[in-house]
Amino acid sequence: GAGVSQTPSNKVTEKGKYVELRCDPISGHTALYWYRQSLGQGPEFLIYFQGTGAADDSGLPNDRFFAVRPEGSVSTLKIQRTERGDSAVYLCASSSTGGAYAEQFFGPGTRLTVL
Amino acid sequence: GIQVEQSPPDLILQEGANSTLRCNFSDSVNNLQWFHQNPWGQLINLFYIPSGTKQNGRLSATTVATERYSLLYISSSQTTDSGVYFCAGRSDSNYQLIWGAGTKLIIKP
Repeated sequence: GAGVSQTPSNKVTEKGKYVELRCDPISGHTALYWYRQSLGQGPEFLIYFQGTGAADDSGLPNDRFFAVRPEGSVSTLKIQRTERGDSAVYLCASSSTGGAYAEQFFGPGTRLTVL
Repeated sequence: GIQVEQSPPDLILQEGANSTLRCNFSDSVNNLQWFHQNPWGQLINLFYIPSGTKQNGRLSATTVATERYSLLYISSSQTTDSGVYFCAGRSDSNYQLIWGAGTKLIIKP
């Protein structure tokens, strides 16, 4: 079956622009997570959705970052007024449930470069 | 929250060698996963192993939850095993996986 997919695979933008990153979770997975990975580091949590609602957005760095999952499947991470420090690989993961024991599966990531 | 430490940070081996990677966590976890991040950045699930031992081909993993550590064993290394190996854990008090800094493995032909 299909895994987690993310589009675009690469995004280059200019400082101050708005970007949207898309995640398609594994079909039937109710939980969806966004992480961000900088070079040479492990991923850092951004936000967790259970169904349509954001159950934990404590990892979003500031109010320029926002994410939605309107129908409980596809999610979009939105970044306003991008800054050079936002450059990173943005990873999406999904799990069958949001429970603590659920295994998370990751997409290939979107590499964001802010010039 | 929990903290995850991985060792060694870097490992360089000849093809055919065996290796052991370690993951220590500061508090109890109920979800422990091992991943391989290949040179293209894709995170590949290796093991979901909150406790016990699992094997998959040349790879095996053991988690001793009561002592808060997990080990990943790679036998008869191949050049395609190169990459960064991460462990990540999750506790009851949060939804996110907490990650170690990774072990960068280089297998030389």
